[in-house]
Amino acid sequence: QSALTQPPSASGSPGQSVTISCTGTSSDVGGYNYVSWYQQHPGKAPKLMIYEVSKRPSGVPDRFSGSKSGNTASLTVSGLQAEDEADYYCSSYAGSNVYVFGTGTKVTVL
Amino acid sequence: QVTLRESGPALVKPTQTLTLTCTFSGFSLSTSGMCVSWIRQPPGKALEWLALIDWDDDKYYSTSLKTRLTISKDTSKNQVVLTMTNMDPVDTATYYCARIHGAAAADYWGQGTLVTVSS
Repeated sequence: QSALTQPPSASGSPGQSVTISCTGTSSDVGGYNYVSWYQQHPGKAPKLMIYEVSKRPSGVPDRFSGSKSGNTASLTVSGLQAEDEADYYCSSYAGSNVYVFGTGTKVTVL
Repeated sequence: QVTLRESGPALVKPTQTLTLTCTFSGFSLSTSGMCVSWIRQPPGKALEWLALIDWDDDKYYSTSLKTRLTISKDTSKNQVVLTMTNMDPVDTATYYCARIHGAAAADYWGQGTLVTVSS
């Protein structure tokens, strides 16, 4: 399975919105509604932010939202805050209990 | 509460076999739908999914690494073990274990353990 494609970087000023794309194929992103997003601060373990394309775990602010169209999923962070500066990874189920991660996007809050 | 912790050697030599243990609490791997996965991250690089074991002892592996990986569980000890053979310097990474339950998403992660492959 090949890694999902994400832009290397994204940025926005505090209060603005930033959207990160995650492009796969019909065998992963496009084939299942099992796309998840993870936030990772330097030196820390990833944290689940979105699952099943658009659902938020308890405790994740509603500033984080997810969507999917065809083979591309997206994560939008609205009302950017300083603590949102981190690396973000998408992941998708790819069938037969196999998973694939994205290439990662570094979000910078200007 | 749910916790996971990885343990294993910090340094292995090329060609050696790596054995990592994930010790968890707060859930049972005998519960239907419960899975534990291993994921790694080379320094400064992206996450890479490695393997998964489910409550029914079914095992799944990354296509590119399946010939080198073995995952197993000891339900009574709440442990999942990953072995990787023929280690190479490119396998230097932080190795994480994580719980996957129901939603095909890793909702709890260990803190990770850095493994360096060097002679």
